[in-house]
Amino acid sequence: SQQGEEDPQALSIQEGENATMNCSYKTSINNLQWYRQNSGRGLVHLILIRSNEREKHSGRLRVTLDTSKKSSSLLITASRAADTASYFCATIARGSNYKLTFGKGTLLTVNP
Amino acid sequence: DAGVIQSPRHEVTEMGQEVTLRCKPISGHDYLFWYRQTMMRGLELLIYFNNNVPIDDSGMPEDRFSAKMPNASFSTLKIQPSEPRDSAVYFCASSLEVLDRDSPLHFGNGTRLTVT
Repeated sequence: SQQGEEDPQALSIQEGENATMNCSYKTSINNLQWYRQNSGRGLVHLILIRSNEREKHSGRLRVTLDTSKKSSSLLITASRAADTASYFCATIARGSNYKLTFGKGTLLTVNP
Repeated sequence: DAGVIQSPRHEVTEMGQEVTLRCKPISGHDYLFWYRQTMMRGLELLIYFNNNVPIDDSGMPEDRFSAKMPNASFSTLKIQPSEPRDSAVYFCASSLEVLDRDSPLHFGNGTRLTVT
């Protein structure tokens, strides 16, 4: 069963615009991770935020975490056509034996 | 670093046949995971190993699925007999430490399995 659920399922924007994707999860977590998947490829780790952190940056990526609402957001600024991919949040529920479970992802299309 | 290597990239087989998927994790990684991805169910964790020992196989669908890790550099996922509903992309991933210590997963490019 999915621990995290991304929203929206699909997002289409123009190059240069910002893209925001959201993730909601169900149980207490120790950290939340975001991954990217290009078509026909494996997932690539983007960024990890711990449960005691509220915001984290990495290049054009900004991740926020609100543990009271059990939600996270991923912001990609100044998007590029190369950012076109599916984006997944992943969590390890406490007591789950360290199993990392993924949402179904947001498909981001950046139009040149 | 060659990354996680999976073979074959594509496998097409007939129902009832045995299928073996292979994975070589990143050298030095102690954890190895097998995931299955479908449109309907997304990414599902099938099984994971720590130091070649299976830790949690609760995601393995049924007895037709089995996974082994005979050494630190090789793992297999076997389906016998295969069924059309097994059609999916199967990913292998490895990590350096237990995930709770902030160690990310490194994925291979997957094996796309089609069972006709």
